Amino acid sequence: DVKVTQSSRYLVKRTGEKVFLECVQDMDHENMFWYRQDPGLGLRLIYFSYDVKMKEKGDIPEGYSVSREKKERFSLILESASTNQTSMYLCASRSVVGGGYEQYFGPGTRLTVT
Amino acid sequence: GENVEQHPSTLSVQEGDSAVIKCTYSDSASNYFPWYKQELGKRPQLIIDIRSNVGEKKDQRIAVTLNKTAKHFSLHITETQPEDSAVYFCAASRRNQGAQKLVFGQGTRLTINP
Repeated sequence: DVKVTQSSRYLVKRTGEKVFLECVQDMDHENMFWYRQDPGLGLRLIYFSYDVKMKEKGDIPEGYSVSREKKERFSLILESASTNQTSMYLCASRSVVGGGYEQYFGPGTRLTVT
Repeated sequence: GENVEQHPSTLSVQEGDSAVIKCTYSDSASNYFPWYKQELGKRPQLIIDIRSNVGEKKDQRIAVTLNKTAKHFSLHITETQPEDSAVYFCAASRRNQGAQKLVFGQGTRLTINP
């Protein structure tokens, strides 16, 4: 059973703080993704990583960076948090083995920036 | 880049009736179209998907149809039940840098009325 976990379910930070969101998957998946979910906008891709130390910008990368030093862990970094980054953040992972495309999501982190 | 439009944003149906959610996409190179279901407070989960070499796929009470020429695809749920109440997201993707990058629609909140 695939397990994707995120470091926090709820997080409150102040404007200007550096924020780290962590995601860990236990299925040796190559691909990992960070999305943010906002009402009426669906899920929007921030960054993705197709393998260790590899990263690519998604559709809304501004204000974010990522790190993937180990295969199982993908971190999202808000360099200087702003109120417009208040959102639900979802991590996902996917295996390239077997030709399947399903992405497995973590439980999400609801971040509030005040 | 890819753009996915999803309609309607909310849908209310009587238990036992059918529900249809429609999506259009813009990138003719997209070749994979999944549907995710997100129950309240839970993570999105894949419920059905279709690849571009297939026109229709069915799994018990849910089915997805794809019209590549018109660039639209739809989710059909028959004999709806209360547990079908959730937010549904469509997505489209094509292979990108070793990862299958998904672009999601805005979501449809489906409510099943007893």
